[in-house]
Amino acid sequence: SQTIHQWPATLVQPVGSPLSLECTVEGTSNPNLYWYRQAAGRGLQLLFYSVGIGQISSEVPQNLSASRPQDRQFILSSKKLLLSDSGFYLCAWMDRETQYFGPGTRLLVL
Amino acid sequence: GESVGLHLPTLSVQEGDNSIINCAYSNSASDYFIWYKQESGKGPQFIIDIRSNMDKRQGQRVTVLLNKTVKHLSLQIAATQPGDSAVYFCAENTGGFKTIFGAGTRLFVKA
Repeated sequence: SQTIHQWPATLVQPVGSPLSLECTVEGTSNPNLYWYRQAAGRGLQLLFYSVGIGQISSEVPQNLSASRPQDRQFILSSKKLLLSDSGFYLCAWMDRETQYFGPGTRLLVL
Repeated sequence: GESVGLHLPTLSVQEGDNSIINCAYSNSASDYFIWYKQESGKGPQFIIDIRSNMDKRQGQRVTVLLNKTVKHLSLQIAATQPGDSAVYFCAENTGGFKTIFGAGTRLFVKA
């Protein structure tokens, strides 16, 4: 069966520091991968998606970037965090038409 | 752009009662719909799905109804339990890479 992992689970970072969040999927090959951000009490905002290694599509202009160095690895990065980058970051993979989510990373930028 | 929306942002029900969470969609090309449940501090979990060639689909204590005429989707939870307290998202897919998520409805179950 397929599983999706995210780490870290929680992260507290100062403004201006770099960021790297990692997502890995097991049990499938060449999945579509997604990064979402969720503000407290809000819905899901699609940030990036990838249909293959090295292929990244950005949905909204922002302070973040994404990379897919391996088939089942998706990384979300920032060179300098802003206060507004705080939120709950979710990685997902798609099986046919259904997206399945990881456990999320809660990021607090102070 | 077109998006999935929700009628009610919050819903409070008594334990044991049935819950109905509603969702409106605007993209007539959407042919696949999903309901997710998100508990506090966790990622959304798949509950049930339905294709546009169906009007109703049942799972364990949950039923999804699709009314294509008025572009309406609902999730019914029978005998609601405290463990059902969560945020519920509807989502639609047109067969492409992206899934459009609704804003979410928070369900409170009163003991």
